[in-house]
Order: sequence, then structure tokens, then C-alpha cells
Amino acid sequence: SQTIHQWPATLVQPVGSPLSLECTVEGTSNPNLYWYRQAAGRGLQLLFYSVGIGQISSEVPQNLSASRPQDRQFILSSKKLLLSDSGFYLCAWSVRTGGYNEQFFGPGTRLTVL
Amino acid sequence: GENVEQHPSTLSVQEGDSAVIKCTYSDSASNYFPWYKQELGKRPQLIIDIRSNVGEKKDQRIAVTLNKTAKHFSLHITETQPEDSAVYFCAASNTGFQKLVFGTGTRLLVSP
Repeated sequence: SQTIHQWPATLVQPVGSPLSLECTVEGTSNPNLYWYRQAAGRGLQLLFYSVGIGQISSEVPQNLSASRPQDRQFILSSKKLLLSDSGFYLCAWSVRTGGYNEQFFGPGTRLTVL
Repeated sequence: GENVEQHPSTLSVQEGDSAVIKCTYSDSASNYFPWYKQELGKRPQLIIDIRSNVGEKKDQRIAVTLNKTAKHFSLHITETQPEDSAVYFCAASNTGFQKLVFGTGTRLLVSP
């Protein structure tokens, strides 16, 4: 069965510091991968998605970037964090089964920027 | 592009009552409509989905209906229980689309 991992689970960082969040998927090949951010009490904002190694689509222009160095690894980065970057970061994966985009979320990383 | 609207934003019911959450979408090409449940502090979990070739799907106490003509779909929860309390998100996609478009969420509170 498929499993998705994210780490760290929680993170407290000062403003201006760098960020690296990692997501890995097991038990599937060539998944679509997604990064979402959820501010406290709010909805799901799609940040980036990737349909293959090295292929990144950005949904929201901001100080974040994403990379996919391996088929089942997705990394979210920032060179300098802002207060507004605080939130719950969710990685998700999907395999297009019969043409339908069933997405499954990882456990998330809760980021607090102080 | 696709736009999904979700109502109501909050819903309070008594245990045992039914709850209905409605979503409308704008892109007539959309053909996949999942629903996610997110408990406090947890990840969203896929609870049911419907594809455009059917009008209704049931799984125990939950059901989803789809009206393609009106471009809306709904989540129905019967015999609600306190553990149904959560935020529910609807979403829409089509086979040529690599991403889901989510609604803004409905906070459901089931009181004992």
C-alpha cells in the first residue's frame, strides 16, 4: 500500500531564516505531487505541483520554491521566511486512476514563523 | 479556470439529525468530485467521491449527489454523530487537469 511521509512534523523558525520541508511517497511510481498551505482556520491553498522529476508548476508567486529531485521526493524551500509563511503545510500525491485525480494527503508540517 | 463555491461555511446540528453541504462548480468539463474530512489538527482525508457518469453514491451514513445540468453536488450525512464534527471540503477536477480545485470548507458541529 502507499504511504506518504512529511518531516518535520512541527517547526518554529525566526523571520528571515531558510526553510526546507521534505515529502516522500512509498509504494507507488511516477505520482503527481502537490504542496498545499493552510493558514489557521482557513482553506487549502495549492502552492506547487509536479507531474514528474524536475517538473514544477507554481500556483502562487511568493518567496517559496519547490523541487523534485527524485520520483517520489518533493521538497519545499524558502531562502528567507516571512511571518505570513506560518501555517500547516500539506504534501499530497495522486496517481491518475482511470483518468481521475484521487489525491491523498500526508500528515503535514506545522510551521510557526516568529 | 474552474471555480468551486461551498455552502454553508458553518453548520450546527443535533446528534441524529441530517447534514447537507452543497458545492457548485463552474467548468462543465469537470467530471470528478471528491469530498474530504479534516479533523482538528489532522490531514484532510478522502471520505467519498463521485464521477460524472453517476448521479448518486452512498457509503453507509454518507452520500453524495451530482447534478451535472445545474453544476452542483452535495454531501449528505445521516444520523449524525459527535465524531462527524470536522471541516469538510469539496473539490472538482477533470481528466485533463492535474490538480483539484477546492471549496472553502464547511465547519460541521454535531452537538450531543
